[in-house]
Amino acid sequence: SAVISQKPSRDICQRGTSLTIQCQVDSQVTMMFWYRQQPGQSLTLIATANQGSEATYESGFVIDKFPISRPNLTFSTLTVSNMSPEDSSIYLCSVADGRRGSEQYFGPGTRLTVT
Amino acid sequence: GNSVTQMEGPVTLSEEAFLTINCTYTATGYPSLFWYVQYPGEGLQLLLKATKADDKGSNKGFEATYRKETTSFHLEKGSVQVSDSAVYFCALLTDSWGKLQFGAGTQVVVTP
Repeated sequence: SAVISQKPSRDICQRGTSLTIQCQVDSQVTMMFWYRQQPGQSLTLIATANQGSEATYESGFVIDKFPISRPNLTFSTLTVSNMSPEDSSIYLCSVADGRRGSEQYFGPGTRLTVT
Repeated sequence: GNSVTQMEGPVTLSEEAFLTINCTYTATGYPSLFWYVQYPGEGLQLLLKATKADDKGSNKGFEATYRKETTSFHLEKGSVQVSDSAVYFCALLTDSWGKLQFGAGTQVVVTP
């Protein structure tokens, strides 16, 4: 299985600012995903980030609010822009190799608190 | 649309008790099914998976069998430990693009 790291592990940010979260994988992977986990809730997919193409966003998430980069097969960033307290969540990246039915492996998450 | 329904928690058990967490799903086609576990303060870890009907996934004493006739994937463990205290998520994957659909999660608390 892939080893995934995220930076920062946690942060406290002020309303109106932006935070960029990094996701690094120890091997090349086809597919990377960004999820949000609001307090006490399940995971919601924000977008799929594939190298060499624009990220694909799920309903309710837009590029202006959550711009994503995927410059190569081992790295991706998610920016949470113009933050409000409602953005306080854990943000997780995950990876998959693209084979049909293959499992996803998750990073440790970034715990974001917006004040 | 696709959906996953899990039993509500928290589920509180004594050590060495039998654990069952119910999971049922609605999906088109033939999904793959997964159980993930989230320990306090950590990310998600894949616990087990099954990719076709009647497959049994198993890991760390946990088991789940893919039942197409009842659209279920219940998680079981015969004797839980305090270290099994965590939130357990059932999830399904219906396409090759890797979009996982998660259940709401079930918190399990095991007491000594």
